[in-house]
Amino acid sequence: AQSVTQLDSQVPVFEEAPVELRCNYSSSVSVYLFWYVQYPNQGLQLLLKYLSGSTLVKSINGFEAEFNKSQTSFHLRKPSVHISDTAEYFCAVTTNDYKLSFGAGTTVTVRA
Amino acid sequence: DAGVTQSPTHLIKTRGQQVTLRCSPKSGHDTVSWYQQALGQGPQFIFQYYEEEERQRGNFPDRFSGHQFPNYSSELNVNALLLGDSALYLCASSLVGQSEQYFGPGTRLTVT
Repeated sequence: AQSVTQLDSQVPVFEEAPVELRCNYSSSVSVYLFWYVQYPNQGLQLLLKYLSGSTLVKSINGFEAEFNKSQTSFHLRKPSVHISDTAEYFCAVTTNDYKLSFGAGTTVTVRA
Repeated sequence: DAGVTQSPTHLIKTRGQQVTLRCSPKSGHDTVSWYQQALGQGPQFIFQYYEEEERQRGNFPDRFSGHQFPNYSSELNVNALLLGDSALYLCASSLVGQSEQYFGPGTRLTVT
């Protein structure tokens, strides 16, 4: 079975500063990796995904994540955050069974 | 293109009662998964339906059951409700054989 550890439960950051959210996974087989974002009182939105190919994946709103197989990590980064990036971020992993295993989440609070 | 929809939005039930939650998948999707998200935690996989059958199940008791209809919509039923069943219930849809899952807004269940 696979599992995910998000190393930071809360990340406060100032507007226009960079942010990194750390995610490590455990699996004995090949994985697919995802980052989801959840705004207050809403469901999960897919932010970006790694399925295969290039290990650096990017979203349309400036986030990027890099798959590192040797370190079993999939950290999320953004070079300059906005107030609207305040949300909870979940790292998730799945294998060929297609059931997602989620981390506990990282709450990002962006301050002016 | 309609996304994943869920009903109702909120629900309040008493211990021992039964509840049914509903989900319509994203247009073109044929697989539905259900997740339970307790307050302050990441979502936990309950089960997955494809071709009207339960294909996979997470670590949830038999009080949790489901159904998938020929139009791919799905229901989640929970019997003999416990206080600990209070959570946000998320439905996700996907295409069979593909790892990307798209989530609905969720149903907030409160058990008193």
